[in-house]
Amino acid sequence: ETGVTQSPTHLIKTRGQQVTLRCSSQSGHNTVSWYQQALGQGPQFIFQYYREEENGRGNFPPRFSGLQFPNYSSELNVNALELDDSALYLCAFQGGAGGYYEQYFGPGTRLTVT
Amino acid sequence: DQQVKQNSPSLSVQEGRISILNCDYTNSMFDYFLWYKKYPAEGPTFLISISSIKDKNEDGRFTVFLNKSAKHLSLHIVPSQPGDSAVYFCAAQNAGNMLTFGGGTRLMVKP
Repeated sequence: ETGVTQSPTHLIKTRGQQVTLRCSSQSGHNTVSWYQQALGQGPQFIFQYYREEENGRGNFPPRFSGLQFPNYSSELNVNALELDDSALYLCAFQGGAGGYYEQYFGPGTRLTVT
Repeated sequence: DQQVKQNSPSLSVQEGRISILNCDYTNSMFDYFLWYKKYPAEGPTFLISISSIKDKNEDGRFTVFLNKSAKHLSLHIVPSQPGDSAVYFCAAQNAGNMLTFGGGTRLMVKP
Protein backbone atom coordinates (compact mmCIF):
# COMPACT_ATOMS: atom_id res chain seq x y z
CA GLU A 1 0.00 0.00 0.00
CA THR A 2 1.72 3.16 -1.21
CA GLY A 3 -0.89 5.66 -0.04
CA VAL A 4 -1.09 7.06 -3.57
CA THR A 5 -4.58 7.25 -5.06
CA GLN A 6 -5.69 7.97 -8.59
CA SER A 7 -9.08 8.72 -10.08
CA PRO A 8 -10.90 7.64 -12.04
CA THR A 9 -9.89 3.99 -12.32
CA HIS A 10 -11.10 3.64 -15.88
CA LEU A 11 -12.59 5.93 -18.46
CA ILE A 12 -13.50 5.89 -22.11
CA LYS A 13 -13.25 9.00 -24.26
CA THR A 14 -13.75 9.83 -27.92
CA ARG A 15 -10.99 11.10 -30.18
CA GLY A 16 -10.74 14.88 -29.99
CA GLN A 17 -12.11 15.12 -26.47
CA GLN A 18 -10.26 16.34 -23.39
CA VAL A 19 -9.59 14.41 -20.18
CA THR A 20 -8.42 15.21 -16.64
CA LEU A 21 -6.84 12.59 -14.40
CA ARG A 22 -6.17 13.09 -10.70
CA CYS A 23 -3.61 11.89 -8.22
CA SER A 24 -3.02 12.40 -4.52
CA SER A 25 -0.82 11.10 -1.75
CA GLN A 26 -1.50 10.58 1.95
CA SER A 27 2.10 11.31 2.87
CA GLY A 28 2.41 14.90 1.67
CA HIS A 29 5.38 14.30 -0.63
CA ASN A 30 6.11 17.39 -2.71
CA THR A 31 7.37 15.86 -5.97
CA VAL A 32 4.96 14.10 -8.30
CA SER A 33 5.62 12.55 -11.68
CA TRP A 34 3.27 11.25 -14.36
CA TYR A 35 3.97 8.30 -16.63
CA GLN A 36 2.19 6.75 -19.60
CA GLN A 37 2.31 2.98 -19.97
CA ALA A 38 1.17 1.60 -23.31
CA LEU A 39 0.24 -2.05 -23.52
CA GLY A 40 3.28 -4.33 -23.36
CA GLN A 41 5.73 -1.50 -22.68
CA GLY A 42 7.40 0.08 -19.71
CA PRO A 43 6.12 3.38 -18.29
CA GLN A 44 7.29 6.51 -20.11
CA PHE A 45 7.95 9.76 -18.25
CA ILE A 46 5.54 12.58 -19.13
CA PHE A 47 6.48 15.33 -16.66
CA GLN A 48 7.27 16.09 -13.05
CA TYR A 49 6.01 18.75 -10.66
CA TYR A 50 7.83 20.06 -7.62
CA ARG A 51 6.14 22.58 -5.34
CA GLU A 52 3.54 23.44 -7.99
CA GLU A 53 6.07 24.09 -10.78
CA GLU A 54 6.87 21.84 -13.74
CA ASN A 55 10.31 20.43 -13.02
CA GLY A 56 11.08 18.31 -16.06
CA ARG A 57 9.30 17.00 -19.12
CA GLY A 58 9.63 13.94 -21.31
CA ASN A 59 9.00 13.64 -25.01
CA PHE A 60 5.29 14.45 -24.97
CA PRO A 61 3.49 17.21 -26.90
CA PRO A 62 2.10 20.36 -25.23
CA ARG A 63 -1.45 18.97 -25.31
CA PHE A 64 -0.29 16.99 -22.26
CA SER A 65 -0.32 19.46 -19.38
CA GLY A 66 -0.43 19.27 -15.63
CA LEU A 67 -1.02 21.03 -12.36
CA GLN A 68 0.12 20.54 -8.82
CA PHE A 69 -1.90 22.02 -5.96
CA PRO A 70 -0.74 23.43 -2.60
CA ASN A 71 -1.60 20.10 -0.94
CA TYR A 72 0.71 18.45 -3.53
CA SER A 73 -2.08 16.56 -5.29
CA SER A 74 -1.85 16.73 -9.05
CA GLU A 75 -3.80 16.65 -12.30
CA LEU A 76 -2.85 15.47 -15.75
CA ASN A 77 -4.81 17.05 -18.60
CA VAL A 78 -4.78 15.77 -22.15
CA ASN A 79 -6.40 17.81 -24.91
CA ALA A 80 -7.43 16.73 -28.41
CA LEU A 81 -7.26 13.03 -27.54
CA GLU A 82 -5.81 10.67 -30.12
CA LEU A 83 -6.25 6.90 -30.40
CA ASP A 84 -2.59 6.42 -29.40
CA ASP A 85 -3.28 8.10 -26.07
CA SER A 86 -5.02 4.90 -24.96
CA ALA A 87 -2.82 3.68 -22.11
CA LEU A 88 -2.45 3.27 -18.37
CA TYR A 89 -1.56 6.60 -16.77
CA LEU A 90 0.47 6.36 -13.59
CA CYS A 91 1.44 8.99 -11.09
CA ALA A 92 4.25 8.62 -8.58
CA PHE A 93 5.26 10.60 -5.52
CA GLN A 94 8.79 11.08 -4.36
CA GLY A 95 9.75 12.53 -1.04
CA GLY A 96 12.82 14.08 0.55
CA ALA A 97 14.89 17.13 -0.18
CA GLY A 98 16.47 16.38 -3.55
CA GLY A 99 18.66 13.32 -3.80
CA TYR A 100 17.69 9.89 -4.91
CA TYR A 101 14.57 8.57 -3.30
CA GLU A 102 12.31 5.91 -4.55
CA GLN A 103 9.12 6.86 -6.37
CA TYR A 104 5.90 5.30 -5.15
CA PHE A 105 3.18 4.70 -7.70
CA GLY A 106 -0.58 4.82 -7.62
CA PRO A 107 -2.72 2.08 -9.19
CA GLY A 108 -3.16 4.02 -12.42
CA THR A 109 -6.01 5.22 -14.61
CA ARG A 110 -6.81 3.14 -17.67
CA LEU A 111 -7.78 5.51 -20.52
CA THR A 112 -9.37 4.16 -23.68
CA VAL A 113 -9.80 6.50 -26.64
CA THR A 114 -12.24 5.38 -29.33
CA ASP B 1 16.44 5.04 -28.75
CA GLN B 2 15.92 2.81 -25.72
CA GLN B 3 18.24 3.88 -22.95
CA VAL B 4 17.15 1.03 -20.67
CA LYS B 5 16.58 -2.45 -22.08
CA GLN B 6 15.33 -5.70 -20.67
CA ASN B 7 16.09 -8.19 -23.39
CA SER B 8 14.15 -11.11 -21.97
CA PRO B 9 10.40 -10.55 -22.25
CA SER B 10 9.69 -13.59 -20.10
CA LEU B 11 11.35 -16.01 -17.70
CA SER B 12 10.06 -19.24 -16.23
CA VAL B 13 11.60 -20.67 -13.05
CA GLN B 14 10.82 -23.54 -10.72
CA GLU B 15 9.78 -22.70 -7.17
CA GLY B 16 12.77 -22.66 -4.83
CA ARG B 17 15.29 -21.97 -7.57
CA ILE B 18 17.03 -18.69 -8.37
CA SER B 19 15.45 -16.13 -10.71
CA ILE B 20 17.84 -13.79 -12.49
CA LEU B 21 16.43 -10.79 -14.31
CA ASN B 22 18.75 -8.67 -16.43
CA CYS B 23 18.81 -5.06 -17.54
CA ASP B 24 21.18 -3.03 -19.70
CA TYR B 25 21.47 0.73 -20.01
CA THR B 26 23.32 3.09 -22.30
CA ASN B 27 23.32 6.46 -20.52
CA SER B 28 26.30 6.83 -18.18
CA MET B 29 24.58 9.81 -16.50
CA PHE B 30 22.17 7.47 -14.71
CA ASP B 31 23.21 7.32 -11.07
CA TYR B 32 20.47 5.37 -9.34
CA PHE B 33 18.76 2.18 -10.39
CA LEU B 34 15.54 0.64 -9.18
CA TRP B 35 13.52 -2.52 -9.67
CA TYR B 36 9.76 -2.49 -9.62
CA LYS B 37 7.30 -5.35 -9.60
CA LYS B 38 3.90 -5.03 -11.24
CA TYR B 39 0.79 -7.13 -10.94
CA PRO B 40 -2.09 -6.71 -13.42
CA ALA B 41 -4.44 -3.82 -12.59
CA GLU B 42 -1.97 -2.37 -10.06
CA GLY B 43 0.71 0.28 -10.22
CA PRO B 44 4.39 -0.68 -10.06
CA THR B 45 5.58 -1.55 -6.55
CA PHE B 46 9.08 -0.56 -5.51
CA LEU B 47 11.25 -3.58 -4.77
CA ILE B 48 14.92 -2.66 -4.35
CA SER B 49 17.37 -0.02 -5.51
CA ILE B 50 21.08 0.59 -5.87
CA SER B 51 23.22 3.68 -6.12
CA SER B 52 25.83 3.86 -8.86
CA ILE B 53 28.57 4.03 -6.22
CA LYS B 54 27.75 0.50 -5.11
CA ASP B 55 27.92 -2.83 -6.88
CA LYS B 56 25.54 -4.84 -4.74
CA ASN B 57 22.51 -4.29 -2.56
CA GLU B 58 20.66 -7.01 -0.73
CA ASP B 59 17.23 -7.08 0.89
CA GLY B 60 16.00 -10.45 2.07
CA ARG B 61 15.49 -12.73 -0.92
CA PHE B 62 16.28 -9.92 -3.37
CA THR B 63 19.75 -8.84 -4.45
CA VAL B 64 20.60 -6.30 -7.11
CA PHE B 65 24.01 -6.28 -8.77
CA LEU B 66 25.40 -3.36 -10.74
CA ASN B 67 28.27 -3.59 -13.23
CA LYS B 68 28.98 0.00 -14.25
CA SER B 69 31.68 -0.82 -16.75
CA ALA B 70 29.29 -3.11 -18.60
CA LYS B 71 26.29 -0.82 -17.95
CA HIS B 72 24.42 -3.86 -16.71
CA LEU B 73 22.35 -4.66 -13.67
CA SER B 74 20.61 -7.78 -12.54
CA LEU B 75 18.05 -8.76 -9.95
CA HIS B 76 18.44 -12.11 -8.18
CA ILE B 77 15.52 -13.66 -6.31
CA VAL B 78 16.44 -16.59 -4.08
CA PRO B 79 14.48 -18.72 -3.41
CA SER B 80 11.79 -17.94 -5.96
CA GLN B 81 8.19 -18.30 -4.80
CA PRO B 82 4.95 -18.54 -6.81
CA GLY B 83 3.90 -15.17 -5.38
CA ASP B 84 6.89 -13.61 -7.15
CA SER B 85 5.14 -14.20 -10.49
CA ALA B 86 4.67 -10.71 -11.94
CA VAL B 87 6.19 -8.32 -14.46
CA TYR B 88 9.48 -6.82 -13.31
CA PHE B 89 10.70 -3.45 -14.55
CA CYS B 90 14.14 -2.02 -14.10
CA ALA B 91 14.37 1.75 -14.04
CA ALA B 92 17.23 4.21 -14.12
CA GLN B 93 17.18 7.64 -12.54
CA ASN B 94 19.15 10.74 -13.38
CA ALA B 95 19.84 13.85 -11.33
CA GLY B 96 16.45 15.22 -12.36
CA ASN B 97 14.76 12.31 -10.62
CA MET B 98 13.15 11.23 -13.88
CA LEU B 99 12.79 7.47 -14.22
CA THR B 100 13.54 5.71 -17.50
CA PHE B 101 12.05 2.23 -17.57
CA GLY B 102 12.90 -0.92 -19.44
CA GLY B 103 10.21 -2.85 -21.26
CA GLY B 104 9.71 -5.38 -18.47
CA THR B 105 10.27 -9.10 -17.95
CA ARG B 106 7.38 -11.39 -17.07
CA LEU B 107 8.50 -13.84 -14.39
CA MET B 108 6.57 -17.05 -13.91
CA VAL B 109 7.45 -19.17 -10.89
CA LYS B 110 6.05 -22.67 -11.19
CA PRO B 111 5.10 -24.60 -8.05
